[in-house]
Amino acid sequence: AQSVSQHNHHVILSEAASLELGCNYSYGGTVNLFWYVQYPGQHLQLLLKYFSGDPLVKGIKGFEAEFIKSKFSFNLRKPSVQWSDTAEYFCAVRREYGNKLVFGAGTILRVKS
Amino acid sequence: DAGITQSPRHKVTETGTPVTLRCHQTENHRYMYWYRQDPGHGLRLIHYSYGVKDTDKGEVSDGYSVSRSKTEDFLLTLESATSSQTSVYFCAISESLGQGYEQYFGPGTRLTVT
Repeated sequence: AQSVSQHNHHVILSEAASLELGCNYSYGGTVNLFWYVQYPGQHLQLLLKYFSGDPLVKGIKGFEAEFIKSKFSFNLRKPSVQWSDTAEYFCAVRREYGNKLVFGAGTILRVKS
Repeated sequence: DAGITQSPRHKVTETGTPVTLRCHQTENHRYMYWYRQDPGHGLRLIHYSYGVKDTDKGEVSDGYSVSRSKTEDFLLTLESATSSQTSVYFCAISESLGQGYEQYFGPGTRLTVT
């Protein structure tokens, strides 16, 4: 069965600090990869997704993620975080052409102003 | 935002009572999903549907049943609620399985079982 690991459950950063959230998955075949964000009290929204092509994917709000196939990783990055980035971030994996997502446990990011 | 509504948005119920949560979409998407969200566990799939009357189990389906009699509605039923089912429940939809695959989420239902 597929599984998704997010390394840090809680991250606290000051504004303008750089962010990197780790995500690793276990599945040997072709996968599609996603990062979702959940702002306090809201539903999940898609930040970015990777299907194929350039392994560096740019998403909304200045976020990007890099797919490293050899490391089974899809880490999320942002060069300079803002207070408004305070949220919970979820990595998710889908087997190519599958009809389900498998989510990681989530990382809660708190940005101090 | 995708046209997904969930009802009720909040519910408190007693152990042993039946509970039904409703997900309604206006997007005519084929696939619908029910997840539960618990701290430290992320989102876990309960059941999903790939068409009217076509459903399948997810990873945490015990104690839950679903029905989909119309494209737009996907119901989640807790036949006899237990305290372990206290959670936030999210519905999601997706249109296809191709390159554009993405799940869109509803606003969630907070269920407390006392």
